[in-house]
Amino acid sequence: QKEVEQNSGPLSVPEGAIASLNCTYSDRGSQSFFWYRQYSGKSPELIMFIYSNGDKEDGRFTAQLNKASQYVSLLIRDSQPSDSATYLCAVKAGNQFYFGTGTSLTVIP
Amino acid sequence: EAQVTQNPRYLITVTGKKLTVTCSQNMNHEYMSWYRQDPGLGLRQIYYSMNVEVTDKGDVPEGYKVSRKEKRNFPLILESPSPNQTSLYFCASSLSFASGEQYFGPGTRLTVT
Repeated sequence: QKEVEQNSGPLSVPEGAIASLNCTYSDRGSQSFFWYRQYSGKSPELIMFIYSNGDKEDGRFTAQLNKASQYVSLLIRDSQPSDSATYLCAVKAGNQFYFGTGTSLTVIP
Repeated sequence: EAQVTQNPRYLITVTGKKLTVTCSQNMNHEYMSWYRQDPGLGLRQIYYSMNVEVTDKGDVPEGYKVSRKEKRNFPLILESPSPNQTSLYFCASSLSFASGEQYFGPGTRLTVT
């Protein structure tokens, strides 16, 4: 059984701070890694993807991948109240996608 | 507008009454997938389709069927729903499995009594 694990939180950060979200996965053959944001009552929305070891930046978001440690993270700089949501880590392995249970983030104004 | 649509959005039904949840995308995507989302269990893949007429089981396929006769449509069929299939269902699509970037439909809240 391929597993993707996230700390469920809740994670609370003050507005303007850096939020750090972490994810580990069990399958060393995993190929690609994704972060989705899900607002309450809404569908998941893709915000970042990363395929290679290292960092990938897109605006206020940075995804970090360490395949040796089987670890993926998402940093959100200058956190805003609108970033308050559940963040889902997803991994592509074989022909399927595997999701973590999500980390709930609250940004406090 | 590029989108994935699902119908119905909400459904309450009784045990054993066959139902179909439709999913359609207008982006000419090859890969389509169905997920269910349950508290504490996250999103779990039910079935997926690499392309027309190519479907395969995900992690939780029991009690579900799918078909992919056209590229844009990927219906989910529950032949004999049971209460343990009460869940929030999402359809998703991506340009290809290789690309991996999935776009999700709005979800279908299913209750089986």
